[in-house]
Amino acid sequence: DGGITQSPKYLFRKEGQNVTLSCEQNLNHDAMYWYRQDPGQGLRLIYYSQIVNDFQKGDIAEGYSVSREKKESFPLTVTSAQKNPTAFYLCASSGPGDNQPQHFGDGTRLSIL
Amino acid sequence: GQNIDQPTEMTATEGAIVQINCTYQTSGFNGLFWYQQHAGEAPTFLSYNVLDGLEEKGRFSSFLSRSKGYSYLLLKELQMKDSASYLCAVLDSNYQLIWGAGTKLIIKP
Repeated sequence: DGGITQSPKYLFRKEGQNVTLSCEQNLNHDAMYWYRQDPGQGLRLIYYSQIVNDFQKGDIAEGYSVSREKKESFPLTVTSAQKNPTAFYLCASSGPGDNQPQHFGDGTRLSIL
Repeated sequence: GQNIDQPTEMTATEGAIVQINCTYQTSGFNGLFWYQQHAGEAPTFLSYNVLDGLEEKGRFSSFLSRSKGYSYLLLKELQMKDSASYLCAVLDSNYQLIWGAGTKLIIKP
């Protein structure tokens, strides 16, 4: 079945550590996105990529980095510069066309030890 | 700034009908999406409206009025499994999605 896979489902980070969240899709979508979801707030865009080897900052990119070396993969690194990383992270992808719905992975919940 | 407003929480009874409202002020408009999100899970796509009027899809319908900056999601014959958060999102003039905070719907027997 086609879909988006995020791993791990739960992740714990120590202060000062970088961690990388995985996102893989087999939907053959060009566009991929990373969101952060906090209680009581809407999804906030961290980074997005419309094509391989290209990506743009979203609204809250500080303290995060991404790469897009393959169409299927869009990993997100939460760096030690991100001061409040505890959140639910969602990866999404969408098909061709500006008004296509985004399809989401099951998310990764990141917590600080 | 850009803003999307939804009620934080609503309660309804199994078998009844509920309407979840969404008002928006955005820089341009290229469509409005509704998503359902069960706790701790991924949002799943429900509907897309770009023209005024009502779109019906089974027990779920979505309405849009662009002149009023207003949409609603109508859920009929409520089932316990409909307990979830419902997210409204607007595609702005740059084709960026602006998300509301979501409405938590609680269904009681």
